[in-house]
Amino acid sequence: GNSVTQMEGPVTLSEEAFLTINCTYTATGYPSLFWYVQYPGEGLQLLLKATKADDKGSNKGFEATYRKETTSFHLEKGSVQVSDSAVYFCALSDRRNTGKLIFGQGTTLQVKP
Amino acid sequence: EAGVAQSPRYKIIEKRQSVAFWCNPISGHATLYWYQQILGQGPKLLIQFQNNGVVDDSQLPKDRFSAERLKGVDSTLKIQPAKLEDSAVYLCASSLEDRVTEAFFGQGTRLTVV
Repeated sequence: GNSVTQMEGPVTLSEEAFLTINCTYTATGYPSLFWYVQYPGEGLQLLLKATKADDKGSNKGFEATYRKETTSFHLEKGSVQVSDSAVYFCALSDRRNTGKLIFGQGTTLQVKP
Repeated sequence: EAGVAQSPRYKIIEKRQSVAFWCNPISGHATLYWYQQILGQGPKLLIQFQNNGVVDDSQLPKDRFSAERLKGVDSTLKIQPAKLEDSAVYLCASSLEDRVTEAFFGQGTRLTVV
């Protein structure tokens, strides 16, 4: 069945460091891929998305590229800020299967000043 | 634009008691989802509605969980009787239609079963 695997956390970085959070997926067909973020005390928010191979999603300085050949959708940011501290979830949606989201387990990012 | 509203935010109950959660989706959103998020895990879909019909409830433990979406707007999720392993955050989300790529999430209800 469809699944998403994320790198284990927590990830602790200093401010202005480079961030990579790895995400790989298993799916039949051509899913859409997402990164959601959950700030402390808040609900899940869509960070970025990509709907087909080689698409790059970007938002708030974060980027991720849909790599079909490696079944990956790694999240990157060139310079993190303390305000980026949150839990990040990679997810996929198989458009043939009602559009429900299948999430990875989440990666906690802590950015220190 | 108002977001997805959920209540209560927190609930503590004893095992074998019953509990209900309420969700009001974004106005005009036909699709409504209930997800369960156990601590340290990603959310898992429990049930999906399209208007007031069930699209997917394959992961819903139907012996104790039930959900309804009357008139295709608000929804309630009920657990009766609760077990310790039901302790989790219950997230409601909505989207314009089932194959649209973005779902909007509420803040969730944190349930603790003691």
